[in-house]
Amino acid sequence: TQLLEQSPQFLSIQEGENLTVYCNSSSVFSSLQWYRQEPGEGPVLLVTVVTGGEVKKLKRLTFQFGDARKDSSLHITAAQPGDTGLYLCAGDSQGAQKLVFGQGTRLTINP
Amino acid sequence: NAGVMQNPRHLVRRRGQEARLRCSPMKGHSHVYWYRQLPEEGLKFMVYLQKENIIDESGMPKERFSAEFPKEGPSILRIQQVVRGDSAAYFCASSWDLNQPQHFGDGTRLSIL
Repeated sequence: TQLLEQSPQFLSIQEGENLTVYCNSSSVFSSLQWYRQEPGEGPVLLVTVVTGGEVKKLKRLTFQFGDARKDSSLHITAAQPGDTGLYLCAGDSQGAQKLVFGQGTRLTINP
Repeated sequence: NAGVMQNPRHLVRRRGQEARLRCSPMKGHSHVYWYRQLPEEGLKFMVYLQKENIIDESGMPKERFSAEFPKEGPSILRIQQVVRGDSAAYFCASSWDLNQPQHFGDGTRLSIL
């Protein structure tokens, strides 16, 4: 059974600080997605990483896929209250089509 | 430019009743996935369908749960004889092809009295 472990599960920091969220597994994934979920809504896709070592930037968010395609990180620079939310990583294996989700990181940015 | 549409958004059923959850994928998407999110837990895969075919139902409970994606109309997740433990948020996602990103609807929150 493939598992994705996210850490930390909860993170509360002040506006302007930097933070990193981790997503780790002992399994190899063909791709990994990061989603953000607001209360009462569905997950919204932020990014997909496919190649080992790949780095993608989305404004103040930087996503990295590990060289071995077993782990990923999300780094937010100068966090803002609007970044508050639940961040989910999800991986899929070649040919499997189903996504395996981490349990999420609930991020709170305090003004 | 409609996204994945799920209805109803909220559904209340008494124990023993049937629940029907509907999902219309994004325009042009023929691959549909259902996930369940229990309170304070992550999303868990249930079933993957293409038009008229169930491709992978490895995450579906063996009894009371079924899914379909007919040639015409939305995908349906059906839960018969609901129990309290079925209370959860059920999310549908769609993609336009294999190995393409999945886009999610806003879910159906099922409450069992």
